[in-house]
Amino acid sequence: GAGVSQSPSNKVTEKGKDVELRCDPISGHTALYWYRQSLGQGLEFLIYFQGNSAPDKSGLPSDRFSAERTGGSVSTLTIQRTQQEDSAVYLCASSLGGKTAGTQYFGPGTRLLVL
Amino acid sequence: GQNIDQPTEMTATEGAIVQINCTYQTSGFNGLFWYQQHAGEAPTFLSYNVLDGLEEKGRFSSFLSRSKGYSYLLLKELQMKDSASYLCAVKATNAGKSTFGDGTTLTVKP
Repeated sequence: GAGVSQSPSNKVTEKGKDVELRCDPISGHTALYWYRQSLGQGLEFLIYFQGNSAPDKSGLPSDRFSAERTGGSVSTLTIQRTQQEDSAVYLCASSLGGKTAGTQYFGPGTRLLVL
Repeated sequence: GQNIDQPTEMTATEGAIVQINCTYQTSGFNGLFWYQQHAGEAPTFLSYNVLDGLEEKGRFSSFLSRSKGYSYLLLKELQMKDSASYLCAVKATNAGKSTFGDGTTLTVKP
């Protein structure tokens, strides 16, 4: 079946503008994750959704970042008033929920450049 | 909190064997994952260990010792295409997220 998809694949914006990044998880996956990865660095956890539970927002770096997941499927990550340090690849992943599942399937990422 | 340590970089020769170590200190344990990430691409799943011992999958094997908070990924018969970053991730609870290490960049040389 289809994998995780993200859009746009690339985004160039000006400092101070808002951006929205979209993630379509694998159908049936109840868990969805957002990560940020700067060039040559590891994955920085941002936010985690699991079913109808309250999201784990512990990784969001500031109140300029927010995310929502509508209908338990598609998720949107919004960055308000973008700064140059927000430039990175934003990766979305999904997985089956539950006690034993946890393998994450990653989308191709959105490469964000803030000028 | 969660702490996961991996070497930053490793270099090995084509055809050889390399072992990439990962140590972790987490509040609870419910599985350890290894992912491979080629430059400019998204991570892809390699292996999952939840019980102690060795899991073998072709040229790749992964080992876990829960008492020592230690895992390794063993790559045999190295190929040039194995040059990539290898990420260790620990799932601390049975319903929570995984925490990723910073990754080990492996360079395979001819």
